[in-house]
Amino acid sequence: DQQVKQNSPSLSVQEGRISILNCDYTNSMFDYFLWYKKYPAEGPTFLISISSIKDKNEDGRFTVFLNKSAKHLSLHIVPSQPGDSAVYFCAASLQGAQKLVFGQGTRLTINP
Amino acid sequence: NAGVTQTPKFQVLKTGQSMTLQCAQDMNHEYMSWYRQDPGMGLRLIHYSVGAGITDQGEVPNGYNVSRSTTEDFPLRLLSAAPSQTSVYFCASGRLGNTIYFGEGSWLTVV
Repeated sequence: DQQVKQNSPSLSVQEGRISILNCDYTNSMFDYFLWYKKYPAEGPTFLISISSIKDKNEDGRFTVFLNKSAKHLSLHIVPSQPGDSAVYFCAASLQGAQKLVFGQGTRLTINP
Repeated sequence: NAGVTQTPKFQVLKTGQSMTLQCAQDMNHEYMSWYRQDPGMGLRLIHYSVGAGITDQGEVPNGYNVSRSTTEDFPLRLLSAAPSQTSVYFCASGRLGNTIYFGEGSWLTVV
């Protein structure tokens, strides 16, 4: 049973517009959530995180929203840039930011 | 990904062969872990360690062994490789309780 799900395998967005990536989870005990970005042939790169005691965290163009009642989080990228084209993984943890459980990933393509 | 080094980058093994994937970090991180990534799936935790001499199993530990004799190194051993172990392997490290950082990956094919 997959505890973290990213139901959209791919997303295409025009440059300059907002990209919204979604993630759902089933385990209400998760206490920390993270987003990683991955380019081909490279390891995942940490992007942004949020603790379960918060509902929003912002870092530059990236904002993560957490809705605990819906067990849903989302990553907003504004404005989207061509360099944002990558696979984005949502991850959740029961122990701070470690022992991560990952979603399947969403491939984001930013079109010029 | 700076600071977490994985070797080799690519490896082809025959079924039944053994090998070790190496992982080293120079950031004095207590926590180290191994993940595998398969097509259409997210990364899955194989084994992890919270310090030298301490290891534990993750979600998919079968067929893999680990040890942590030093803070810097966390090798992953395949004792008898199987085609089902064809995957991309990522090592990660971090301070206890903090964000973990990944290496660049090791592509393993078992034929």
